[in-house]
Amino acid sequence: GDSVTQMEGPVTLSEEAFLTINCTYTATGYPSLFWYVQYPGEGLQLLLKATKADDKGSNKGFEATYRKETTSFHLEKGSVQVSDSAVYFCALGTYKYIFGTGTRLKVLA
Amino acid sequence: DSGVTQTPKHLITATGQRVTLRCSPRSGDLSVYWYQQSLDQGLQFLIQYYNGEERAKGNILERFSAQQFPDLHSELNLSSLELGDSALYFCASSVEGSGNSPLHFGNGTRLTVT
Repeated sequence: GDSVTQMEGPVTLSEEAFLTINCTYTATGYPSLFWYVQYPGEGLQLLLKATKADDKGSNKGFEATYRKETTSFHLEKGSVQVSDSAVYFCALGTYKYIFGTGTRLKVLA
Repeated sequence: DSGVTQTPKHLITATGQRVTLRCSPRSGDLSVYWYQQSLDQGLQFLIQYYNGEERAKGNILERFSAQQFPDLHSELNLSSLELGDSALYFCASSVEGSGNSPLHFGNGTRLTVT
């Protein structure tokens, strides 16, 4: 069945470091892919999305490219800030939206 | 602000009791989803409604039920509560519910069963 696999956390980085959070998926067809972010005490917020192969979603310095050949949608940011500390979820856009287990990111000043 | 409203924010109740969680979707969204988030199991899909009709079911226990009303708000009913039902329950909405449009989440209801 459809599934999403995210890298285990937590990920701890220093401010201004480069971030990669890996996400791979298994799906029939070509679903949309999403990254969500969850700050403490809040619901999930859409960070970016891509709807077809080779699409690049971007927002707030974060980017992810829909790679059909490697079934991946890795999240990247060139220079993280303390305010980026949160839990990040990769999601597959099927009728029930399948989420990865989440990756906690902690950025140290 | 996502535009999705969930009430109450916190709920503390005893085992064996029944509770109702309420969700108002974002204006214009026809589809409502319910998810359960616990520490050890991530975000689990429970059920989806589209324009008043149940569209998909996930890992929802028989003790749980939901419905979407004509004004599109939704309620999740949890009965015969057990300690293991303690979790964050999220409602989310989307325009059409096929998976192509983003989900918009409420801030959740934190349920504590004692």
